Amino acid sequence: QKEVEQDPGPLSVPEGAIVSLNCTYSNSAFQYFMWYRQYSRKGPELLMYTYSSGNKEDGRFTAQVDKSSKYISLFIRDSQPSDSATYLCAMRNTGRRALTFGSGTRLQVQP
Amino acid sequence: GAVVSQHPSWVICKSGTSVKIECRSLDFQATTMFWYRQFPKQSLMLMATSNEGSKATYEQGVEKDKFLINHASLTLSTLTVTSAHPEDSSFYICSAPGAGGQETQYFGPGTRLLVL
Repeated sequence: QKEVEQDPGPLSVPEGAIVSLNCTYSNSAFQYFMWYRQYSRKGPELLMYTYSSGNKEDGRFTAQVDKSSKYISLFIRDSQPSDSATYLCAMRNTGRRALTFGSGTRLQVQP
Repeated sequence: GAVVSQHPSWVICKSGTSVKIECRSLDFQATTMFWYRQFPKQSLMLMATSNEGSKATYEQGVEKDKFLINHASLTLSTLTVTSAHPEDSSFYICSAPGAGGQETQYFGPGTRLLVL
């Protein structure tokens, strides 16, 4: 079993829809949770960062962490075609600075 | 945000040759950098942790003699793929923790390697 599970998609939604992306994990030591966006053949770009459980909002993006369920989510409101990309969840524990990634979910927002 | 660059952005080489990839932190110092590899439609897998002034630490299954890492300064880490073979063709990405004690990491744009 992978440490971090993420549905690869693709997920196709119409423009303006609310998108929900999720990851589950098995390592209870993970404390730092991140969402990255990666366009084709580019490096990942940090979108959201959350420490421990809770919610965080930044513009159209909301990240949620539920450590009791080992489940994290990213919501995108009013999705745009420019949001079409692969979204990677990533996490790490306190003692290790390298990240463990999910496999990524490919999102397509149709105009 | 912090900027990390990589060079070259892509490279094609013959089997058996060596390829060097550079990773630079442009506006901050990084005592630690990470090297990841990403195969098509797969996620990033950590290969090794590069430490300025000391030996790199490699993940299980990664051959340290094949993937040579040198962290010569606080802004530069290099990954050399020695005696490259077609199965080494991949997307290599470096990252560095943000400056000022930030917990996030910033990634370079990646280097696409194709070994013929």
